[in-house]
Amino acid sequence: GAGVSQTPSNKVTEKGKYVELRCDPISGHTALYWYRQSLGQGPEFLIYFQGTGAADDSGLPNDRFFAVRPEGSVSTLKIQRTERGDSAVYLCASSPTGTANYGYTFGSGTRLTVV
Amino acid sequence: GNSVTQMEGPVTLSEEAFLTINCTYTATGYPSLFWYVQYPGEGLQLLLKATKADDKGSNKGFEATYRKETTSFHLEKGSVQVSDSAVYFCALKDSGNTPLVFGKGTRLSVIA
Repeated sequence: GAGVSQTPSNKVTEKGKYVELRCDPISGHTALYWYRQSLGQGPEFLIYFQGTGAADDSGLPNDRFFAVRPEGSVSTLKIQRTERGDSAVYLCASSPTGTANYGYTFGSGTRLTVV
Repeated sequence: GNSVTQMEGPVTLSEEAFLTINCTYTATGYPSLFWYVQYPGEGLQLLLKATKADDKGSNKGFEATYRKETTSFHLEKGSVQVSDSAVYFCALKDSGNTPLVFGKGTRLSVIA
């Protein structure tokens, strides 16, 4: 597509529930990134995919967080047993490759609120 | 590890004032440096970048020069407009398969 698309744009869930956040990157971009942005903070890296595989998942805060990209395009970030501290804007970005310094194209984010 | 430090905001300026937002970095390799902007209600957008020492990135009247000797990448604009009101993020990307690392952001408010 023309840009990076994230759905839903807003998600309110109850503590303890499971959520899935979707990212549709720019067509042909092999690198896909997930970030989390808390209020008043810069984006914090979560996980990076090169194609279908997770090249770097060092930013995932704990084992409640998991992400997949089974066909090398759309990615889903999954959060189990959500906690109030998970409330943030979850950003997805894509880039033509992971090594070149093109900069990333970001989606508008999914605002997750855990109540 | 790699990190970026930006000046704390918020920064409030009158229209046509000169803007500087300081950014310094720590990196193990030879990073590329970026400024991203987030306008109210919108997503992050790449504003400018520089990929090696002494390079100057520029866009929309904004400039930043990659200074290796001072590990800095300060953002400047000679005459700000109300429409420049946004949050500005400095970021670096080290070589290889490494992700962008962001600073905490600096909120700029320009008043008429």
